[in-house]
Amino acid sequence: QVTLKESGPALVKPTQTLTLTCTFSGFSLSTSGMRVSWIRQPPGKALEWLARIDWDDDKFYSTSLWTRLTISKDTSKNQVVLTMTNMDPVDTATYYCARMGYYDSSNFFDYWGQGTLVTVSS
Amino acid sequence: SSELTQDPAVSVALGQTVRITCQGDSLRSYFASWCQQKPGQAPVLVIYGKNNRPSGIPDRFSGSSSGNTASLTITGAQAEDEADYYCNSRDSSGNRVVFGGGTKLTVL
Repeated sequence: QVTLKESGPALVKPTQTLTLTCTFSGFSLSTSGMRVSWIRQPPGKALEWLARIDWDDDKFYSTSLWTRLTISKDTSKNQVVLTMTNMDPVDTATYYCARMGYYDSSNFFDYWGQGTLVTVSS
Repeated sequence: SSELTQDPAVSVALGQTVRITCQGDSLRSYFASWCQQKPGQAPVLVIYGKNNRPSGIPDRFSGSSSGNTASLTITGAQAEDEADYYCNSRDSSGNRVVFGGGTKLTVL
């Protein structure tokens, strides 16, 4: 059974750095073909992909946010960590982690965490 | 372009068929996947690849693609299908992901 769960602060101040942890079970990020992504959703708005890390430690970032993002993994703990620097109120959103796969030349997200709401406010 | 465009809202009568579309240049090279999101819940994958449904997704959900347009079709829409639907695909680099703006489906 695959599960993912996000954890981190519910409230951060502007200019601070956000650190979120995705703790997962039911698969290993050391297994070939496994990938985990972070995706966010501002209240009432659309999903936005942020970053991805692969089993071989390849990392890819949103072209609009890459200067602020860092993704890493701890395979022994089954965790993926996302940091986002210089937080702003427009970064207020629910942040999801999701397992990512490829099939038929498409990407897909087959398991999602419950999401964690992060509010940026002074 | 790395954008995917969806109609903001679509409605369908109970039991009828509805098609939700997603347009973008990347769809000429890659299939889209689709997820369903109900209020207050995380998204759920409903279609991926050419036309594949994860286990547990009813067969009234199907996917298709032509040119720069991907479509999600619900044949015989049910009340429980009322939700937001998001398409996503690989971007032009092949390594990043782009989401559509979402379509709110109302079942009348």
